[in-house]
Amino acid sequence: AQKITQTQPGMFVQEKEAVTLDCTYDTSDPSYGLFWYKQPSSGEMIFLIYQGSYDQQNATEGRYSLNFQKARKSANLVISASQLGDSAMYFCAMRGADSSYKLIFGSGTRLLVRP
Amino acid sequence: DVKVTQSSRYLVKRTGEKVFLECVQDMDHENMFWYRQDPGLGLRLIYFSYDVKMKEKGDIPEGYSVSREKKERFSLILESASTNQTSMYLCASSLQDGGYTFGSGTRLTVV
Repeated sequence: AQKITQTQPGMFVQEKEAVTLDCTYDTSDPSYGLFWYKQPSSGEMIFLIYQGSYDQQNATEGRYSLNFQKARKSANLVISASQLGDSAMYFCAMRGADSSYKLIFGSGTRLLVRP
Repeated sequence: DVKVTQSSRYLVKRTGEKVFLECVQDMDHENMFWYRQDPGLGLRLIYFSYDVKMKEKGDIPEGYSVSREKKERFSLILESASTNQTSMYLCASSLQDGGYTFGSGTRLTVV
């Protein structure tokens, strides 16, 4: 069975500093995809970054990067130069290789950026 | 841009009522999903559909059913609403092996 674990229910970071949000996963599929989403208080789910299991390089999107360590089954999100607008819930998710294309989510991390 | 529209942002229903949550997407996506979101539990998959009239149970289907008569519309049905179904419900759609687009959510309160 597939599983995503986010062990940090809440985190604080000072504005302009970098922060790492942890995510570990468990799957027996050799092919899978890992996603990070941001959910502000408005409730919308905003796609941030994607990493495929066969991608050789860590994914980056602007201030977001994914620290993918396949052997450790971890896919941590790094946000550089935090901004006040980064305060939100962050979810790690995984899609397996089966035909359903369903996403399995972790429990989320609430990030609060301090001015 | 792909849009996923959920018919209600907030809904209050009474215990025992039959409740319909509607979701419509406008970009011909094959896959559609219903999740519920609860604090500390993240998003949990209720049902999903990969084609018209096709449906598959997710991780927590008990107390729910779905309907997909047209490709663009995926309805979640609470046959007899209970207070433990008070939650945020999120609909999503995707192409095969593509990105996912989420609706803005329906916050359902069952009293």
